[in-house]
Amino acid sequence: GENVEQHPSTLSVQEGDSAVIKCTYSDSASNYFPWYKQELGKRPQLIIDIRSNVGEKKDQRIAVTLNKTAKHFSLHITETQPEDSAVYFCAAESNNDMRFGAGTRLTVKP
Amino acid sequence: GAGVSQSPSNKVTEKGKDVELRCDPISGHTALYWYRQSLGQGLEFLIYFQGNSAPDKSGLPSDRFSAERTGGSVSTLTIQRTQQEDSAVYLCASSLATGTYEQYFGPGTRLTVT
Repeated sequence: GENVEQHPSTLSVQEGDSAVIKCTYSDSASNYFPWYKQELGKRPQLIIDIRSNVGEKKDQRIAVTLNKTAKHFSLHITETQPEDSAVYFCAAESNNDMRFGAGTRLTVKP
Repeated sequence: GAGVSQSPSNKVTEKGKDVELRCDPISGHTALYWYRQSLGQGLEFLIYFQGNSAPDKSGLPSDRFSAERTGGSVSTLTIQRTQQEDSAVYLCASSLATGTYEQYFGPGTRLTVT
């Protein structure tokens, strides 16, 4: 089955700096890669996703890149703000089976 | 519109007792997922249902865990003979179908086994 690894487990940045979270996956058949944000005490919510037919997708300050050959994808957050502080989960879908990474706790210091 | 709902929001039970956790998915969503999230940890996949197909139970940690989905809508996750290591937040999510569709998460049930 699919195995998703996520790094780093914790990340602390200064407000205004960029943050990058990286994930690798094992199943080359995976074709859908969503990212979820979970604020403290709340449920995970989708923030961006990418499908295997594109290499990059951007939505305002958030971008995701995908390298299918290397089987890794990354989340990039630019101009970070304190409200970006949360746990971020990557996921990979293969054969209708979604597996999540262990999460990255991002702290943005004002 | 209504999102995914779960009940109860909190459950405290004694070790060895059985518990039932309920999930009401978004109307029209054919896929339903259960995850477990231990304190400060990631999302551990447990089981998913797609329409009337047999569920994928590959993530269930032991035979004490079972789940059913009646009428393709409401789902119940049952944990028999609970153990302290079962303490976690149990999250349910639904999507239009499995695969490349956004999953909408419920608020979770916080289970504490004493």
